[in-house]
Amino acid sequence: EVQLVESGGGLVQPGGSLRLSCAASGFTFNEYAMHWVRQTPGKGLEWVSGISWNSVASGYVDSVKGRFTIFRDNAKNSLYLQMNSLRPEDTALYYCAKDSTSAVEAPAGYWGQGTLVTVSS
Amino acid sequence: SFELTQPSSVSVSPGQTARISCSGDILTKKYARWFQQKPGQAPVLVIYKDTERPSGIPQRFSGSSSGTTVTLTISGAQVEDEADYYCYSAADNNGVFGGGTKVTVL
Repeated sequence: EVQLVESGGGLVQPGGSLRLSCAASGFTFNEYAMHWVRQTPGKGLEWVSGISWNSVASGYVDSVKGRFTIFRDNAKNSLYLQMNSLRPEDTALYYCAKDSTSAVEAPAGYWGQGTLVTVSS
Repeated sequence: SFELTQPSSVSVSPGQTARISCSGDILTKKYARWFQQKPGQAPVLVIYKDTERPSGIPQRFSGSSSGTTVTLTISGAQVEDEADYYCYSAADNNGVFGGGTKVTVL
């Protein structure tokens, strides 16, 4: 059974940093691209970042470029999102999602339950 | 960057057909996916590659594509189909969701 479990969310002050983690199991992690998607409470989904199976390719939504970094450790079956210079508008529930291919294309049928990030003073 | 545009809401009576559109120039070159999200739950993939339905998704869900618009159709909508629906597409290692459509079945 595919499982994605996010962790690392919490309350942080504006300008601070957080590192989100996603522990994957139930599939061959190093064969698939992975994504981070966020959702502000009561609002829509926003694709944040994606990374290819071998970390060669990655992409970011414009609003986080230069502040967030996606990376993965295939030996640990884990995906990460390093978030620096956090802003109140980064407050959201952050989901980890598995792609159906090895390239950065699209979240597929497997998502975690999310980890909540709150940026506030 | 590119954008996908959806109507904010669609209402349908039980047993009737609901159609949700998603428009964007990227859709002439790239496939779209549709996700269903119910309150407090993670999104569920209901359509991929514009028209393909994952296993376990009811046949009443179908997708179509024409030019810059893709459409999700719920034929014979059920009360349990009431949810938010999002289209998604990607190009050059970047993805985008549409703004979402709230489907009300009553």
